[in-house]
Amino acid sequence: EIVMTQSPATLSVSPGERVTLFCRASQNINTNLAWYQQKPGQAPRLLIYGASTRATDIPVRFSGSGSGTEFTLTIDSLQSEDIAVYFCHQFNNWPPEYTFGQGTKLDIK
Amino acid sequence: QVQLEESGPGMVKPSETLTLTCTVSGASVSNSYYWGWFRQTPGKALEWLGSVYYTETTYYNPSLQGRVSILLDTSKNQFSLRLSSVAAADTAVYYCASHLVLTGIDLWGQGTLVTVSS
Repeated sequence: EIVMTQSPATLSVSPGERVTLFCRASQNINTNLAWYQQKPGQAPRLLIYGASTRATDIPVRFSGSGSGTEFTLTIDSLQSEDIAVYFCHQFNNWPPEYTFGQGTKLDIK
Repeated sequence: QVQLEESGPGMVKPSETLTLTCTVSGASVSNSYYWGWFRQTPGKALEWLGSVYYTETTYYNPSLQGRVSILLDTSKNQFSLRLSSVAAADTAVYYCASHLVLTGIDLWGQGTLVTVSS
């Protein structure tokens, strides 16, 4: 099974900062990776798919990069509404492998 | 606007079968999409349980060892999840969602908490 490892687990941030989150796959997943944002009590929201393509209506301050086993999600000029948990998700071997990282939680510094 | 809504009991007894239904509005389950079920335990990662394609072909997470089944009901525009022999470890928020193969999970229901307890 492909294991997705996110770092850091928690990140303290300030509005206006540039924030970079990391996701590593235990084996090559090409660019078959998505990023999601999840706020408390809400379902996840798709931000990025194909490692770098923004989903519909996602602000341009969110960007994704990477391929193979190393991926990043960058938030330029963090807004207060971006405080959430962010998950990465690989679908390189689907079906049946469809696995998620443990998440990175952003909180206010 | 496409919306998904989960429904079902909030509590199930150990060893029983958990059954949830997802009602789709604004789109047809006969569209060429995958309709899937996911769950999330408190403080833990998301887990894919299984998906059904509009052709009624099903795909399941092998880790669930045959306990899961997903059915499509085109007459009601719904799809359902059955998870048998539940235990406390199956307590989670369950989400229904729609997805394609290479573009991530683009639409989610709001989620429903299911607690396994006697």
